[in-house]
Amino acid sequence: QSALTQPPSASGSPGQSVTISCTGTSSDVGGYNYVSWYQQHPGKAPKLMIYEVSKRPSGVPDRFSGSKSGNTASLTVSGLQAEDEADYYCSSYAGSNNFHVVFGGGTKLTVL
Amino acid sequence: QVQLQESGPGLVKPSQTLSLTCTVSGGSISSGDYYWSWIRQPPGKGLEWIGYIYYSGSTYYNPSLKSRVTISVDTSKNQFSLKLSSVTAADTAVYYCARVEGSWGFDYWGQGTLVTVSS
Repeated sequence: QSALTQPPSASGSPGQSVTISCTGTSSDVGGYNYVSWYQQHPGKAPKLMIYEVSKRPSGVPDRFSGSKSGNTASLTVSGLQAEDEADYYCSSYAGSNNFHVVFGGGTKLTVL
Repeated sequence: QVQLQESGPGLVKPSQTLSLTCTVSGGSISSGDYYWSWIRQPPGKGLEWIGYIYYSGSTYYNPSLKSRVTISVDTSKNQFSLKLSSVTAADTAVYYCARVEGSWGFDYWGQGTLVTVSS
């Protein structure tokens, strides 16, 4: 199984919106609505921000939203704030017989 | 509030076996409501899923690591464990344990523990 493809970096100014893409195949992103997104600050454990493509866990600001089209999922951060600067990773369920999960390579989001 | 805590040696010699334990508090592994997982992150790199276990002992492993990985569960201690054999420097990473929610996302994570493979 190959890692999902994310851009290595993204950036935006405070108040702007940024979208991060996550491209897989029909065997993972395109085949299931089980895409998740994680935020990771330096030295910290990842935090679940989006699950099932577009659902937010309790406590996650509605500035974070997710979507999917075909084999590509996207995370949009609206109204960028300084604390949004972090690494973001996508993941997808990747198998009905073997319950595998695959991660993206990560995107460093910089708030300018 | 569910909490997970990894424990184990921070230094392992090449060719030896890495062993870590994750202790779960605030929830019971034997409830059967969740899978439990190990994930690792080499320094400066991305996340890699290692495998899952269910309270019954059913396991699923990353194909790239399957030949070297064993995940086990001890419901009496509310713990699950990771063994990775024949380690090399490429296995140096922060190892996280995590809970798997119903749609294959990881909703609770341990703080992570750095394991260095070096002689």
